[in-house]
Amino acid sequence: DAEITQSPRHKITETGRQVTLACHQTWNHNNMFWYRQDLGHGLRLIHYSYGVHDTNKGEVSDGYSVSRSNTEDLPLTLESAASSQTSVYFCASSPRAMNTEAFFGQGTRLTVV
Amino acid sequence: KNEVEQSPQNLTAQEGEFITINCSYSVGISALHWLQQHPGGGIVSLFMLSSGKKKHGRLIATINIQEKHSSLHITASHPRDSAVYICAVRLIGNQFYFGTGTSLTVIP
Repeated sequence: DAEITQSPRHKITETGRQVTLACHQTWNHNNMFWYRQDLGHGLRLIHYSYGVHDTNKGEVSDGYSVSRSNTEDLPLTLESAASSQTSVYFCASSPRAMNTEAFFGQGTRLTVV
Repeated sequence: KNEVEQSPQNLTAQEGEFITINCSYSVGISALHWLQQHPGGGIVSLFMLSSGKKKHGRLIATINIQEKHSSLHITASHPRDSAVYICAVRLIGNQFYFGTGTSLTVIP
C-alpha cells in the first residue's frame, strides 16, 4: 500500500545543532508540504514543493530549509535548532489536481533543549 | 486573523449524543477537508468536500459554498470518537489553511 512516512517519530536535540526530519511518500504525488503544530495554533505551513527541484516558503519558514531532489522525499532541515522550534512536525502530500485528498504523515515530535 | 475559524474549541458530550462542529472560512477554496487527530497520533482525512453533503458511517459533513461554512456532524457519539477534529481549506493555488481544531471528548 502507498503511504507517507516520517522519521524519526521523536527527536531531542540541543540548541544550535542542525537537524533533518525525513518525509517519504510512495504515492508519486507532486505536492508535498511541511507543517508545524503548536498549542493554540492551527497547522502552520513551513515549506512546500509542487515538484522536483521546486521549493517555496510558507508562513513560518525562518530557520528551516527543504530540498526536493526526487518525487518521493522532502527532507526538512533546521539549520541551527532553537527552543522556539520545539513542536510537532507533520509532512503531507497530495496530487497536483485540485479536488483530491491530502495525506499526512504520523508526525515528528521535536524537542530542542 | 485566521482564514479558518472553528467552533467550539472544546466539546464534551455524553455517549449517544448528536454532535456538531462548525467551520467558517474567508478565502476562495477549491475544497474543504475534515481531519481527525487522536491524542499523540497522526492526522487522518475524514472527508473532502467541494459542495453538498457526504456521509460515512455515523459521520456527516456538509458545506455551503455561498455562506463559506461547513459542519461536521457525529450521530450516536461514542468514546472512540474522542479526538481533535480539524477543518482545512484547500486554496485554488493548492495550499491549505487549517483551523485550530475542536477537541471532542465523549464520556461513557
